[in-house]
Amino acid sequence: GAGVSQSPRYKVAKRGQDVALRCDPISGHVSLFWYQQALGQGPEFLTYFQNEAQLDKSGLPSDRFFAERPEGSVSTLKIQRTQQEDSAVYLCASSPRQGNEKLFFGSGTQLSVL
Amino acid sequence: GESVGLHLPTLSVQEGDNSIINCAYSNSASDYFIWYKQESGKGPQFIIDIRSNMDKRQGQRVTVLLNKTVKHLSLQIAATQPGDSAVYFCAENRDDNFNKFYFGSGTKLNVKP
Repeated sequence: GAGVSQSPRYKVAKRGQDVALRCDPISGHVSLFWYQQALGQGPEFLTYFQNEAQLDKSGLPSDRFFAERPEGSVSTLKIQRTQQEDSAVYLCASSPRQGNEKLFFGSGTQLSVL
Repeated sequence: GESVGLHLPTLSVQEGDNSIINCAYSNSASDYFIWYKQESGKGPQFIIDIRSNMDKRQGQRVTVLLNKTVKHLSLQIAATQPGDSAVYFCAENRDDNFNKFYFGSGTKLNVKP
């Protein structure tokens, strides 16, 4: 498809389990973002990649959160030892270049930690 | 799904009426703003954007107004339709170097047929 694709669509994890969330951005898009959206709130910035370089990870809540984009296209957000407070929708977005451009969002991965 | 709306300000309008959704932003240095529409179970969808050197921009059935003096943004939707029912977010960008956006808390728009 032409849009940003995320998988899985839903993920249920037991507390303490590790999870990996995948994002396929629009082909050729330089910038890739991860956002976290809690129920009833707006998306909150987690981290940003320009090609394969992670230029900003200031929004990652703890060192249990790790993101990578090794070849500058597909990205993975990994959460280790999941906690209940990690339950949220994780949104991936991409844009063609850097700086002052609109973001194209995927449909997100809804993570529920039991 | 629908429980998202329990925590959000809600605007209810009659089909065919005009809607105005407001947003206050926090940083006077922000220079690029976007309105996004989010339907249940989907990611935010771009509606319209505006840069800080403008105070008004029009799209198809939508208009965004920017008042930098009071740091206020509004989205006007003309002839609101049932398909416009969604949560609307304003987002601000504070950095020319990369598009790291800060989102507001959102407004739920209910369109009554």
